[in-house]
Amino acid sequence: NAGVMQNPRHLVRRRGQEARLRCSPMKGHSHVYWYRQLPEEGLKFMVYLQKENIIDESGMPKERFSAEFPKEGPSILRIQQVVRGDSAAYFCASSPDRNSPLHFGNGTRLTVT
Amino acid sequence: AQSVTQLGSHVSVSEGALVLLRCNYSSSVPPYLFWYVQYPNQGLQLLLKYTSAATLVKGINGFEAEFKKSETSFHLTKPSAHMSDAAEYFCAVTPNSGGGADGLTFGKGTHLIIQP
Repeated sequence: NAGVMQNPRHLVRRRGQEARLRCSPMKGHSHVYWYRQLPEEGLKFMVYLQKENIIDESGMPKERFSAEFPKEGPSILRIQQVVRGDSAAYFCASSPDRNSPLHFGNGTRLTVT
Repeated sequence: AQSVTQLGSHVSVSEGALVLLRCNYSSSVPPYLFWYVQYPNQGLQLLLKYTSAATLVKGINGFEAEFKKSETSFHLTKPSAHMSDAAEYFCAVTPNSGGGADGLTFGKGTHLIIQP
């Protein structure tokens, strides 16, 4: 059973470009979470999705950030008009239900130049 | 509201020595507590979790943690450190009654260094 797959592992964008981060949850998992990790910081919750629904987006910045988890295909975290402060590691995690522990992917490291 | 404080951003121990990583929590409801480990360039792996059963919880790789309500603590220990234990360790808390991941709040992490 493959784990949580994130791609790309590393992403470099210039200021003002768009970043698209992908996450394929573990087989049988319909709950997806996105976290952001800044240097010397713990993981900060961004958004919690189930198939086709955003359940909790209380951790998402109000502008430029969006997330989706379509019926088919991976979950996408989209950052428009990136700025240097968006440079971080973005982790996706999945679970079969909200009562089960998370399984994490290896992250996407975004660098904005 | 809930929060987690991990004392010591870096902890260094000698190989074979006791490992003690500290975690204190704040929660307005009975908490469910987790320790995760992160190896370089990887995601987080669950070490162990406390969900109101036994207060002493055993995890993988010889780690264990004890829930102490009176001290609002959930410190992680291992009797004898191994070089492969070098990693970043995160304590986390959730109010999720099922002990799951919903509403998980992480501490800032402790980087464990093992000296040969």
